[in-house]
Amino acid sequence: GAVVSQHPSWVICKSGTSVKIECRSLDFQATTMFWYRQFPKQSLMLMATSNEGSKATYEQGVEKDKFLINHASLTLSTLTVTSAHPEDSSFYICSARDREDQPQHFGDGTRLSIL
Amino acid sequence: DQQVKQNSPSLSVQEGRISILNCDYTNSMFDYFLWYKKYPAEGPTFLISISSIKDKNEDGRFTVFLNKSAKHLSLHIVPSQPGDSAVYFCAASQIYNQGGKLIFGQGTELSVKP
Repeated sequence: GAVVSQHPSWVICKSGTSVKIECRSLDFQATTMFWYRQFPKQSLMLMATSNEGSKATYEQGVEKDKFLINHASLTLSTLTVTSAHPEDSSFYICSARDREDQPQHFGDGTRLSIL
Repeated sequence: DQQVKQNSPSLSVQEGRISILNCDYTNSMFDYFLWYKKYPAEGPTFLISISSIKDKNEDGRFTVFLNKSAKHLSLHIVPSQPGDSAVYFCAASQIYNQGGKLIFGQGTELSVKP
């Protein structure tokens, strides 16, 4: 149980392109989903928290107009990197949980490479 | 300000022996702690968690110990197996504050040698 699917797993695109990443909870209802970014050899850095049907809460320093998050249903959240540039290249990981006292379960991540 | 710290970037253990991974935190408001295992280019996999009202939680080969006075937690893996080789992250949160968001340590790379 507690499976989170993230798609796509790898994206290579040109600078200026917008990229959408999907995160789905397959066997539970995710009232809250989280989006992280991980740089090589570093820890996971939380970008934003999204609750179903509400606007996402962004961490300090994360541009909300750059990283658009939509959590329209209890099983799907999307992250859109708008007008991506090479500095946006990174490993993006989503997680989901159903209750606050339950662990977050993670997707397998998306490797984003902007040329 | 690193609220969750894993001071050992790497650990090497012989197969069959005990692996002990350590984690320190500074925020006394944390009330929920978790350990995750991560392979390269994959998302973290949840291993075990502990609430601040407990000092020990066990699940098979994995045991997590929490020392609140020292603000320290540890993960014991016994016996260690080569398949346990991965990066281990500890994480902490305040369940009902700040959206229960997780603060991660930097990770410890465990290598279990046959």
